[in-house]
Amino acid sequence: DAMVIQNPRYQVTQFGKPVTLSCSQTLNHNVMYWYQQKSSQAPKLLFHYYDKDFNNEADTPDNFQSRRPNTSFCFLDIRSPGLGDAAMYLCATSRERLNTEAFFGQGTRLTVV
Amino acid sequence: AQSVTQPDIHITVSEGASLELRCNYSYGATPYLFWYVQSPGQGLQLLLKYFSGDTLVQGIKGFEAEFKRSQSSFNLRKPSVHWSDAAEYFCAVGVTGGGNKLTFGTGTQLKVEL
Repeated sequence: DAMVIQNPRYQVTQFGKPVTLSCSQTLNHNVMYWYQQKSSQAPKLLFHYYDKDFNNEADTPDNFQSRRPNTSFCFLDIRSPGLGDAAMYLCATSRERLNTEAFFGQGTRLTVV
Repeated sequence: AQSVTQPDIHITVSEGASLELRCNYSYGATPYLFWYVQSPGQGLQLLLKYFSGDTLVQGIKGFEAEFKRSQSSFNLRKPSVHWSDAAEYFCAVGVTGGGNKLTFGTGTQLKVEL
């Protein structure tokens, strides 16, 4: 049974049109992460939530925002997608920050046209 | 800042042959180390992890990895590769205090010849 679910699996958006990606978890984990993975590259952490505490990576563009309305859900908002934002976006969760493994969703493949 | 190097971008092995994927990390203290596997168009699946204790760790699907502090390495091994093992493999390091804020290597693409 899927424990970290990302919707949709594939998303096509227009250049400059806001888009939201969704992640839900059934694990009741405290921490949720968003990673960006461009083609043939390693996943790169954008930000994470520890409970309601938002932690942005220093080099994450302002174009990327996130919301976590409750424990189960986390959203990635891209305010004005550019062609360079086309990537696989991976959501992950972990029970705590330390000494626990991260569980990844299947990812959302974002295409910008 | 921590970093991870996977020196082999592509590796091809024959089915039934042994496999070793290399991973070197850079970090000043004891890291948390992980190996993940990613099939095309899919998310990441954890193969194994090292936090402390025994330096030889066993994972799923018959994989194991050995943490060698003196070499700053965490190489992944499998004694006999199956065709279904073809995928991309990522080594990652999580730092103390950052927990699962993972830094990934650039990955090794494994091809298995039948």
